[in-house]
Amino acid sequence: ELKVEQNPLFLSMQEGKNYTIYCNYSTTSDRLYWYRQDPGKSLESLFVLLSNGAVKQEGRLMASLDTKARLSTLHITAAVHDLSATYFCAVEAGGGADGLTFGKGTHLIIQP
Amino acid sequence: KAGVTQTPRYLIKTRGQQVTLSCSPISGHRSVSWYQQTPGQGLQFLFEYFSETQRNKGNFPGRFSGRQFSNSRSEMNVSTLELGDSALYLCASSSTLGQGGNTGELFFGEGSRLTVL
Repeated sequence: ELKVEQNPLFLSMQEGKNYTIYCNYSTTSDRLYWYRQDPGKSLESLFVLLSNGAVKQEGRLMASLDTKARLSTLHITAAVHDLSATYFCAVEAGGGADGLTFGKGTHLIIQP
Repeated sequence: KAGVTQTPRYLIKTRGQQVTLSCSPISGHRSVSWYQQTPGQGLQFLFEYFSETQRNKGNFPGRFSGRQFSNSRSEMNVSTLELGDSALYLCASSSTLGQGGNTGELFFGEGSRLTVL
């Protein structure tokens, strides 16, 4: 059974600081995704990582994938309040036979 | 283009009733997936449909069912509702399988929030 673990689950940080969210998964993965969810809202796709060593960047967010270590990171640079949200990583394995397996999410609060 | 549309957005049911939720995918998307989100269990995969056929199913009891129509719209049904079925039900669509560049990226709707009393 595929397990996806995120840490930390809760993070409070100040604006301007850098931080990294980690996503570990237990079996060989085909694809890894990062999503953002604002309170009461749906999931917004942030990044799609398809191969070992993949790195994607959008604004202050950068995601990377190490398939050998079964690890993905989401790095936040010079955080701003608007990035406050819950971030989920999700892994597809087995050709998608079990859909996406999501981590429990990282609840991120960025304080001025 | 329009995103994934789910209806109804909110609904309240009582135990033992049944409910049907509807999802219209992004135009041109033929794959529709359903997920359940609860505070305790997080996001869990329910099922996926492609071209009116169920491709995959998550670990949910038979009370949870779905279908997809020829226009790719999908419905899911939960019968004999239990208190634990209270959740946000999210529908997601993805681009047509088999075409080059399909990353499997899912685009989610706003969800249907079900409360079972």
